Amino acid sequence: EVQLVESGGVVVQPGGSLRLSCAASGFTFDDYAMHWVRQAPGKGLEWVSLISWDGGSTYYADSVKGRFTISRDNSKNSLYLQMNSLRAEDTALYYCAKDGGDTLWYFDLWGRGTLVTVSS
Amino acid sequence: DIQMTQSPSSLSASVGDRVTITCRASQSISSYLNWYQQKPGKAPKLLIYAASSLQSGVPSRFSGSGSGTDFTLTISSLQPEDFATYYCQQSYSTPRITFGPGTKVDIK
Repeated sequence: EVQLVESGGVVVQPGGSLRLSCAASGFTFDDYAMHWVRQAPGKGLEWVSLISWDGGSTYYADSVKGRFTISRDNSKNSLYLQMNSLRAEDTALYYCAKDGGDTLWYFDLWGRGTLVTVSS
Repeated sequence: DIQMTQSPSSLSASVGDRVTITCRASQSISSYLNWYQQKPGKAPKLLIYAASSLQSGVPSRFSGSGSGTDFTLTISSLQPEDFATYYCQQSYSTPRITFGPGTKVDIK
């Protein structure tokens, strides 16, 4: 089955750190760029980060640049998001999303998300 | 960053209605515009990519059009399963990808 499954979301204090994981299956993981997209409770969608198929290129939204690090392990079909210096405004459901693969930069497969809550 | 707006922000419609949602970019984005549907408690689902290409498995009642700054998503005959929130997303300025604020479609 083609799917993405996120994990790692918990309640964390402001200033804390967290690592999210996304396990991919059912497609050739290392053929595609991957993204993280988040959605604050009751709000819209916000793109967070992008990593190329080989991990050689990474990009971030200004809101997380310098605090979050995206990475991947193609041998494990896994995507990661290391989140440091967390703020209340980082509270959101974090989705792992597969890129469409043809440089049009759309998301054609999404996980169910993992909830990160930043609160004291 | 390229700003995306959607109108209306919400609408009420009946089963069988033709529904049109508009998305506008703050500058030209050619055809780098994608549409998603999100139901409550679920992940978004890709409907349309590159402004007018229907994603595999998506019913043909969904269609997209436009280029430059103005785009539309049309549902030709609204079905009960189409009540959801719809988002546009520009990918012209990748990696600065941005979404519109969403349009909620509910039952009249």
